[in-house]
Amino acid sequence: DAGVIQSPRHEVTEMGQEVTLRCKPISGHDYLFWYRQTMMRGLELLIYFNNNVPIDDSGMPEDRFSAKMPNASFSTLKIQPSEPRDSAVYFCASSLALGGGSARGAYNEQFFGPGTRLTVL
Amino acid sequence: AQSVAQPEDQVNVAEGNPLTVKCTYSVSGNPYLFWYVQYPNRGLQFLLKYITGDNLVKGSYGFEAEFNKSQTSFHLKKPSALVSDSALYFCAVRPLLGSARQLTFGSGTQLTVLP
Repeated sequence: DAGVIQSPRHEVTEMGQEVTLRCKPISGHDYLFWYRQTMMRGLELLIYFNNNVPIDDSGMPEDRFSAKMPNASFSTLKIQPSEPRDSAVYFCASSLALGGGSARGAYNEQFFGPGTRLTVL
Repeated sequence: AQSVAQPEDQVNVAEGNPLTVKCTYSVSGNPYLFWYVQYPNRGLQFLLKYITGDNLVKGSYGFEAEFNKSQTSFHLKKPSALVSDSALYFCAVRPLLGSARQLTFGSGTQLTVLP
């Protein structure tokens, strides 16, 4: 398996522009997570999905951020409009449910993608 | 609420010497503990985890971690460090059956192995 795939790896855009980050999780994984990493705030969970359904988006900083998972093999994180303070590395991660059960949140270790380094000028 | 403390921002060790990266945690109920490693310009990579059972957990690349319930610690160890082990290490904890929101990462420890 190729692991979690993210694109683009680097994105430089101007303030006010729309940015779309893409993620392909590991095949068969039940959970998908979007994180943001900055020096100041460390690793922050933005949103996560279970079986393509958004479970908790309380980490999404503002309405400018949105995420979708139209199917089990694809997710997007969109920022519209982008601002310089959105500059960060954005990671996607996926995992399997713990013990094959359906209890929400009961998942195993996460596998992270390589990240998208976003710079908003 | 759960929390993770990695008391050392930076750990330096000579190649061939044993290394320890410290982690203490606070969580309600039984903990589910993880160590991840991050190399420059890469995503976090899973090293090992503790759910239950033997307090000494073995993971990838020769790393191991010791769970100590009384001290609420989960220190990462390796008997003989390699220069290639130089990276940023994260400890994480969550309640065993908690939600993803409850997974808490430490601030990270930068390990530098000197040749």
